Amino acid sequence: DQQVKQNSPSLSVQEGRISILNCDYTNSMFDYFLWYKKYPAEGPTFLISISSIKDKNEDGRFTVFLNKSAKHLSLHIVPSQPGDSAVYFCAARDRGSTLGRLYFGRGTQLTVWP
Amino acid sequence: DAGITQSPRYKITETGRQVTLMCHQTWSHSYMFWYRQDLGHGLRLIYYSAAADITDKGEVPDGYVVSRSKTENFPLTLESATRSQTSVYFCASLGLAGGQETQYFGPGTRLLVL
Repeated sequence: DQQVKQNSPSLSVQEGRISILNCDYTNSMFDYFLWYKKYPAEGPTFLISISSIKDKNEDGRFTVFLNKSAKHLSLHIVPSQPGDSAVYFCAARDRGSTLGRLYFGRGTQLTVWP
Repeated sequence: DAGITQSPRYKITETGRQVTLMCHQTWSHSYMFWYRQDLGHGLRLIYYSAAADITDKGEVPDGYVVSRSKTENFPLTLESATRSQTSVYFCASLGLAGGQETQYFGPGTRLLVL
């Protein structure tokens, strides 16, 4: 039973434009959300996070939006660059579960073309 | 090397053989995790550990054994490898980024069971 869902397995965007990656969750106990980026043959690397007490967090070209009522979050990348091409995983922490345990979505492959 | 490392990076084995995947971190993080990544499933938690000699099952623990005799090491053993265990395995440890917890991942071990 997937508690974190990324319904788009792939996304293709032109360089310079905005990339929007979406994530839905079902568990209302999730209190902290993260995005990870993964290049081929490497481990996932932490990108940006947001606490459930906020609805927006920004870090340079990356912004994460959280809509708690819809149980939805999104990652915006503006402007997109070819180096952003990677798999992006959405993850969430359940405040009632083991410290640090994360639940991951299946990932979205982002391709940024010139 | 500083950070989190995994060995071997690639492994081919045969059905029924025992295989051990190694994970080492230099941060002295208490929490460590093992995931497998499969197409269509994202990252699934196999086992995790809260400290030396404290381990617990994740979502998909069957066929795997872990140990944690030292804080910095968290080996994962496939006691009798099966073809369904062909996967990419990631080790992670829990640390802080910007004051918030996040998991730091190793580069992964790609395992092929023939």
